[in-house]
Amino acid sequence: GQQLNQSPQSMFIQEGEDVSMNCTSSSIFNTWLWYKQEPGEGPVLLIALYKAGELTSNGRLTAQFGITRKDSFLNISASIPSDVGIYFCAGFFLYNFNKFYFGSGTKLNVKP
Amino acid sequence: EAGVAQSPRYKIIEKRQSVAFWCNPISGHATLYWYQQILGQGPKLLIQFQNNGVVDDSQLPKDRFSAERLKGVDSTLKIQPAKLEDSAVYLCASSLETPPPGFVGLSGANVLTFGAGSRLTVL
Repeated sequence: GQQLNQSPQSMFIQEGEDVSMNCTSSSIFNTWLWYKQEPGEGPVLLIALYKAGELTSNGRLTAQFGITRKDSFLNISASIPSDVGIYFCAGFFLYNFNKFYFGSGTKLNVKP
Repeated sequence: EAGVAQSPRYKIIEKRQSVAFWCNPISGHATLYWYQQILGQGPKLLIQFQNNGVVDDSQLPKDRFSAERLKGVDSTLKIQPAKLEDSAVYLCASSLETPPPGFVGLSGANVLTFGAGSRLTVL
């Protein structure tokens, strides 16, 4: 099946630092999604991107839909302890029966 | 709007026993998905329904897993008999029916909403 390469796998940062993670694909997508998952919970949608080149912000989070439609990045500015969790990217291809493909996740640890 | 409901949240069984998980998607969401998430990995699609029809079950271990969505609303995922490697979180998700071409940019479309998951431990 479709592979999404998400990096880095994990990050250990100090509170207040900025974070960047990205996702690449061998195929194009119509939609890129970024989710956060905390222990014992399902993934929660953070940002949805629908157009190539689109840059969208949600508070301290900023994500971009790559121009080639094969990549996306998520930035978190001024990290805080509650940012801890696993961040997943997901790609959606319209003409493939509503199928979503997931990255393997980036585990974020924030030290107070 | 109410989210995706799943039950039970936790289940512990012995190998070779059976288990069933239930999911009620967001009202109006035609597409329902069951994912398996093993610790440290991203969600892996098991089965996808469009209304009450199966769109994709290519990764469902059909010798032991079954799923149904009889009335096109809620769904049940069953494992019988369970194996040790089935220990995982089973996530249900739903999405709006894909809009027709030309409406790809519709905000809220092409988005998966997940339930809290059902954590299965097989001993």
